[in-house]
Amino acid sequence: SQTIHQWPATLVQPVGSPLSLECTVEGTSNPNLYWYRQAAGRGLQLLFYSIGIDQISSEVPQNLSASRPQDRQFILSSKKLLLSDSGFYLCAWRSPGRETQYFGPGTRLLVL
Amino acid sequence: GENVEQHPSTLSVQEGDSAVIKCTYSDSASNYFPWYKQELGKGPQLIIDIRSNVGEKKDQRIAVTLNKTAKHFSLHITETQPEDSAVYFCAASIGYNQGGKLIFGQGTELSVKP
Repeated sequence: SQTIHQWPATLVQPVGSPLSLECTVEGTSNPNLYWYRQAAGRGLQLLFYSIGIDQISSEVPQNLSASRPQDRQFILSSKKLLLSDSGFYLCAWRSPGRETQYFGPGTRLLVL
Repeated sequence: GENVEQHPSTLSVQEGDSAVIKCTYSDSASNYFPWYKQELGKGPQLIIDIRSNVGEKKDQRIAVTLNKTAKHFSLHITETQPEDSAVYFCAASIGYNQGGKLIFGQGTELSVKP
């Protein structure tokens, strides 16, 4: 069966510090991968999606970036965090040719 | 682009009553409509989905209806239980050619009172 992991579960970072959030998927190959941000418990906003290694699309202009160093690994990064980057970050995956997206447990980020 | 509106934003029902959450979408090309349940501090979990070639789908106490002409779809929960309390999200997708992107509604916080 497939599982999705996100690390870390919670993170408190000062403004201006770098960020790296990790998402890994097990039990499938060549998944489509997604990063969402959720503020105040509502409204999932799609940030990035990837249909393969070196194929990453950005949905919203911001100071975040995404990378996919391996087939089942998706990284969300920032060089300098802003207060507005605080939120709940969710990674999701789906099998190519299937519609259903499955979400990970999320990372709660607080920027102070 | 696609826009999804969800109502109500909060819903409180007595245990055993039914709950209905409604969503409308703007892009007539959308053809896949999932519903997710999100408990506090957790990632959303898929509870039911429907495709545009189907008008209704049921899974035990949960059902979803789709009206393509009016571009709206609804989630129906019967015989509600306290464990149904959570935030529910609807979403719409125009499918594979757009990377399978989902556009989400703003969520409905359902509270089931014992």
